[in-house]
Amino acid sequence: NAGVTQTPKFQVLKTGQSMTLQCAQDMNHEYMSWYRQDPGMGLRLIHYSVGAGITDQGEVPNGYNVSRSTTEDFPLRLLSAAPSQTSVYFCASSRGRGNQPQHFGDGTRLSIL
Amino acid sequence: AQTVTQSQPEMSVQEAETVTLSCTYDTSESDYYLFWYKQPPSRQMILVIRQEAYKQQNATENRFSVNFQKAAKSFSLKISDSQLGDAAMYFCAYRSWGGSQGNLIFGKGTKLSVKP
Repeated sequence: NAGVTQTPKFQVLKTGQSMTLQCAQDMNHEYMSWYRQDPGMGLRLIHYSVGAGITDQGEVPNGYNVSRSTTEDFPLRLLSAAPSQTSVYFCASSRGRGNQPQHFGDGTRLSIL
Repeated sequence: AQTVTQSQPEMSVQEAETVTLSCTYDTSESDYYLFWYKQPPSRQMILVIRQEAYKQQNATENRFSVNFQKAAKSFSLKISDSQLGDAAMYFCAYRSWGGSQGNLIFGKGTKLSVKP
């Protein structure tokens, strides 16, 4: 049981490049989310999904796209990377709502030069 | 919109002593959930404890307990018998009861150091 798997763990991009951060979970969870963590800011929600084919924006969605074609996968796309997107990115999943805890991946450290 | 505030950017505790981390939140909802997450240097996000707002009894998990004051919108975390492995960032988080969004709203975190 792998839980939530994020790839890659580290990535360096140049401004203007595009890339996709991968997230996969094997727990059959309905909810999946992407957060970014910046120093002194805690974690902020980028996009989330309540099930396959359904996504919505969080607090800081600009510059990011998501899709959810399967229950297991929830990739995050940076269309044209900017230095302001330098951050640590976390994917999380949970079973429905309520007090079910979110299970987090190990994070991706992304640097945009 | 809900907000979560952690007013202590850094805290320090002596090994084997007790420390309390503060968290306040703002919401107009009556039903919700509160969580404390631990993030060690490995960067993993680890659930420490959770509390349902409708429960008056404070949650406890081994050495970790909370003081949940609903009227005051306060949710502090007490760590007893602190251990070196407790050194980490601690995040308080809020989650709405219902609606289409079941995601977490985080505070900015408190960095806990444990002195041997």
